[in-house]
Amino acid sequence: TQLLEQSPQFLSIQEGENLTVYCNSSSVFSSLQWYRQEPGEGPVLLVTVVTGGEVKKLKRLTFQFGDARKDSSLHITAAQPGDTGLYLCAVRNSGGSNYKLTFGKGTLLTVNP
Amino acid sequence: SQTIHQWPATLVQPVGSPLSLECTVEGTSNPNLYWYRQAAGRGLQLLFYSVGIGQISSEVPQNLSASRPQDRQFILSSKKLLLSDSGFYLCAWGSMDTQYFGPGTRLTVL
Repeated sequence: TQLLEQSPQFLSIQEGENLTVYCNSSSVFSSLQWYRQEPGEGPVLLVTVVTGGEVKKLKRLTFQFGDARKDSSLHITAAQPGDTGLYLCAVRNSGGSNYKLTFGKGTLLTVNP
Repeated sequence: SQTIHQWPATLVQPVGSPLSLECTVEGTSNPNLYWYRQAAGRGLQLLFYSVGIGQISSEVPQNLSASRPQDRQFILSSKKLLLSDSGFYLCAWGSMDTQYFGPGTRLTVL
């Protein structure tokens, strides 16, 4: 069982459409991060959410941390081809070494012009 | 500002050959350093992490090893590569909550 379940795995949409991707778990987390990875490059941190119910906006991207801090969503408004990439969520390990992050498998988003 | 470098960017190696991938970080001291492997453009598998010089923690049993000879240098090695070692290798530095990734090395084992 994956600690973090991301859905959908793949998403292909047309430019201008809205979309939401999800990161779910049965565990409670102190914080959660979202990264975007473009083909052939390393992931880049988009946002960190810490407080249950927190909403953060980054231009056309809206991130929400669930009230119970078990899940998160990323909503993109009016998607553009430049939004294409792999969206990964990650959380800090709660047991053992706390120097590690655990990543979900990601949502691969393709925005067609 | 902090910068992380990885080289080479791409590598094609025959099965059974050795491997050495290097990662260096600039602009920070005593960083936590990480090696990940990513297969088929999907999730990240943590291979090794280090919290200081000479301190290496291994996450997955395999034919790879890591070393940290200097504070901001992290090396991933293998004595004999397997076909299954092919993938995209990412180095990262960071804290408990946030990690910053290098540009990656695309390794193909033939």
